[in-house]
Amino acid sequence: EAQVTQNPRYLITVTGKKLTVTCSQNMNHEYMSWYRQDPGLGLRQIYYSMNVEVTDKGDVPEGYKVSRKEKRNFPLILESPSPNQTSLYFCASSFSVGSEQYFGPGTRLTVT
Amino acid sequence: AQTVTQSQPEMSVQEAETVTLSCTYDTSESDYYLFWYKQPPSRQMILVIRQEAYKQQNATENRFSVNFQKAAKSFSLKISDSQLGDAAMYFCAYINTGTASKLTFGTGTRLQVTL
Repeated sequence: EAQVTQNPRYLITVTGKKLTVTCSQNMNHEYMSWYRQDPGLGLRQIYYSMNVEVTDKGDVPEGYKVSRKEKRNFPLILESPSPNQTSLYFCASSFSVGSEQYFGPGTRLTVT
Repeated sequence: AQTVTQSQPEMSVQEAETVTLSCTYDTSESDYYLFWYKQPPSRQMILVIRQEAYKQQNATENRFSVNFQKAAKSFSLKISDSQLGDAAMYFCAYINTGTASKLTFGTGTRLQVTL
């Protein structure tokens, strides 16, 4: 089944404790990206990648890191999480820039 | 920087009626794509419809159609014969095909469908 998987689905952590949210797709997609969703703000892009070893900042990259060492994986790293990073996070992938984005199920992150 | 504006935070429609959700965007690019995504209570993001900017013909998908006005930078979604399952958040989104291909979403419109 073609899909984007994210882990964990739910995470509660404390300020400053490094964490990684994994994202994997099995559709051989070139384009992958991370979004955060906050009430009243819609989805905002954090980082995107147009291919292996090619990443670029979205609209809200501060406090996040990503890497794209393999085509299928695009982990999101929070080196020192803070409460303002409490949010719902989505990973997505697509065949190309203008094609349909396939979204993962979301990760609900709470930083206390 | 491109922006996407959805000016209707909430809309309501009766079952079987038609509703139109509005979306405007701002860009200086000529080659781009526009999307409408649906997010039901399950939180899953689902593509409703996609429009290529260089195509003048409005995209349609069954009961869903768009009114794409490139000069006015407007991209509204029309839902015909509304069903209870259409109740969701709807997001308009834009991406250009240049080197900085960020996908930008609007803030969303919550659609209620009543009996």
